[in-house]
Amino acid sequence: SQTIHQWPATLVQPVGSPLSLECTVEGTSNPNLYWYRQAAGRGLQLLFYSVGIGQISSEVPQNLSASRPQDRQFILSSKKLLLSDSGFYLCAWSGTEPSSPLHFGNGTRLTVT
Amino acid sequence: GQNIDQPTEMTATEGAIVQINCTYQTSGFNGLFWYQQHAGEAPTFLSYNVLDGLEEKGRFSSFLSRSKGYSYLLLKELQMKDSASYLCAVLDSNYQLIWGAGTKLIIKP
Repeated sequence: SQTIHQWPATLVQPVGSPLSLECTVEGTSNPNLYWYRQAAGRGLQLLFYSVGIGQISSEVPQNLSASRPQDRQFILSSKKLLLSDSGFYLCAWSGTEPSSPLHFGNGTRLTVT
Repeated sequence: GQNIDQPTEMTATEGAIVQINCTYQTSGFNGLFWYQQHAGEAPTFLSYNVLDGLEEKGRFSSFLSRSKGYSYLLLKELQMKDSASYLCAVLDSNYQLIWGAGTKLIIKP
């Protein structure tokens, strides 16, 4: 069966510090991978998605970047965090069919102080 | 613009039935998803509708009317563990997923 691992679960970082969140998927090949952010009481905002190694699409201009160095590894990074980067970050994978649902990791709660 | 509307919050009683509505205005339609999200946790997939009608999965059912831009999630025999937010999301003509803000469902004993 497929599993998705995302870490860390919680993170408190000062403004201006770097960020690296990692996500790995097991049990499937060539998944579509996603990074979402969820602000309190709001819908999910798609940050990045990837359909293959090295292929990253960015949905919103921001202080963040993403990379996919391996088929089942997706990394979210920032060189200098802003207060507005605080939120709940979710990694997800799906199959390549449009009807394929998203399967989310447990999420990372990031607080920038 | 693209828009998904859901009630912000609903309250229901344990053992009862509740219907959570979702209306959408999107550029095209390629399917509608429902997800459940418990507080502090990640969303989990509940259902997918692409054709009109009712899809039943145990205590949960999802209905779609494409002509009305409308869907609902029906939860029967409510249990306390059903207290969660329920997210509606639509795949538009570009296969982009548009998310609603979610409906927080509170179950009272």
